[in-house]
Amino acid sequence: DVKVTQSSRYLVKRTGEKVFLECVQDMDHENMFWYRQDPGLGLRLIYFSYDVKMKEKGDIPEGYSVSREKKERFSLILESASTNQTSMYLCASSTLSDEQFFGPGTRLTVL
Amino acid sequence: GENVEQHPSTLSVQEGDSAVIKCTYSDSASNYFPWYKQELGKRPQLIIDIRSNVGEKKDQRIAVTLNKTAKHFSLHITETQPEDSAVYFCAATPFGATGANNLFFGTGTRLTVIP
Repeated sequence: DVKVTQSSRYLVKRTGEKVFLECVQDMDHENMFWYRQDPGLGLRLIYFSYDVKMKEKGDIPEGYSVSREKKERFSLILESASTNQTSMYLCASSTLSDEQFFGPGTRLTVL
Repeated sequence: GENVEQHPSTLSVQEGDSAVIKCTYSDSASNYFPWYKQELGKRPQLIIDIRSNVGEKKDQRIAVTLNKTAKHFSLHITETQPEDSAVYFCAATPFGATGANNLFFGTGTRLTVIP
């Protein structure tokens, strides 16, 4: 059974703080993704990676960066958190041509 | 890039009735169309998908149809049950266009099945 885990279910941070969200998958998937989910907007892709040290911008990369130093781990970084980054963040992983498996999500609140 | 539109945003049906959710896409290169179900407080999970070489696919009470000419695809749920209540997302991707199958999602449909 594919397992995608995220470091926190709930996180509260202050404006200007640096925030790290971690995602780990245990199925040796090549691809990993970070989305944010907001009511009425669906899932929007922030960044994705199709190999170690490789990253590609998604639809809304502004204010975010990512790191993939190991195949199983994909980190999302908010360099200086802002209130408009309050959201649900979902990580996903997949093989090259198969379904994406999602993590449980991290609900981030920036005060 | 790809743009996926999904309708309706909310849908209420009586238990036992059918539910239909429709999506359109813009990129004619898209060739993979999955549907995800997200129950309250849970992660999205794939319920059915279709590839562009197939016009229809069925799995028990769930079916998906694809019209490549019109660039739209639909999810059909028959004999709805209260446990079908959830948010459903359609998505599209042009497999092979990049190194990863990054999905473009619709905005979601909240389905409520009334007992």
